[in-house]
Amino acid sequence: DVKVTQSSRYLVKRTGEKVFLECVQDMDHENMFWYRQDPGLGLRLIYFSYDVKMKEKGDIPEGYSVSREKKERFSLILESASTNQTSMYLCASSFQIIGGGFYGYTFGSGTRLTVV
Amino acid sequence: AQKVTQAQTEISVVEKEDVTLDCVYETRDTTYYLFWYKQPPSGELVFLIRRNSFDEQNEISGRYSWNFQKSTSSFNFTITASQVVDSAVYFCALSEADNTDKLIFGTGTRLQVFP
Repeated sequence: DVKVTQSSRYLVKRTGEKVFLECVQDMDHENMFWYRQDPGLGLRLIYFSYDVKMKEKGDIPEGYSVSREKKERFSLILESASTNQTSMYLCASSFQIIGGGFYGYTFGSGTRLTVV
Repeated sequence: AQKVTQAQTEISVVEKEDVTLDCVYETRDTTYYLFWYKQPPSGELVFLIRRNSFDEQNEISGRYSWNFQKSTSSFNFTITASQVVDSAVYFCALSEADNTDKLIFGTGTRLQVFP
């Protein structure tokens, strides 16, 4: 089974800190994604990556950056954490079979970040 | 533009009741994929089903069934004889073939099943 592992389940950080959220997948998936989940808003895409060193902005990239130096690892960076970034962060990976369509995501178990 | 609407924010039922979670989607593509995910209290989203736009057959898996109707752009999910373990947040999602690998999620429906 594909596993997507997020390094921390819960994090508490102070306003202004630089925060790193780490995500590792073990099935050689090309695509990786970061979402945040907020009540009433569902899941919103922050950034995604189709390959090493590639990154694309999602719907809400402001205040975030990402790094993908290795295929299996996709890091989300909060350059200067703010209280409005308190949220659940979900990492996912996916692959696509050529001619076979898209099979959806495998998700990590999430990191609940609180910024105080 | 693609969009997924889950109008039911929260549903509460008593065990053994049947419950249907609604999902309405918008897309201009003729080829697309629809998904349902379950998020239990542990937090991890669990894949339940994938359906492509050319397959309108309804599907049944145990107590779960899905009704895909292109005419109404709906992909509803029914749990028969609900159980407490079904309590979770359920998300419907859409991916267009022209924008592959990007899932657009609805806002989710929280289902609470009481004993």
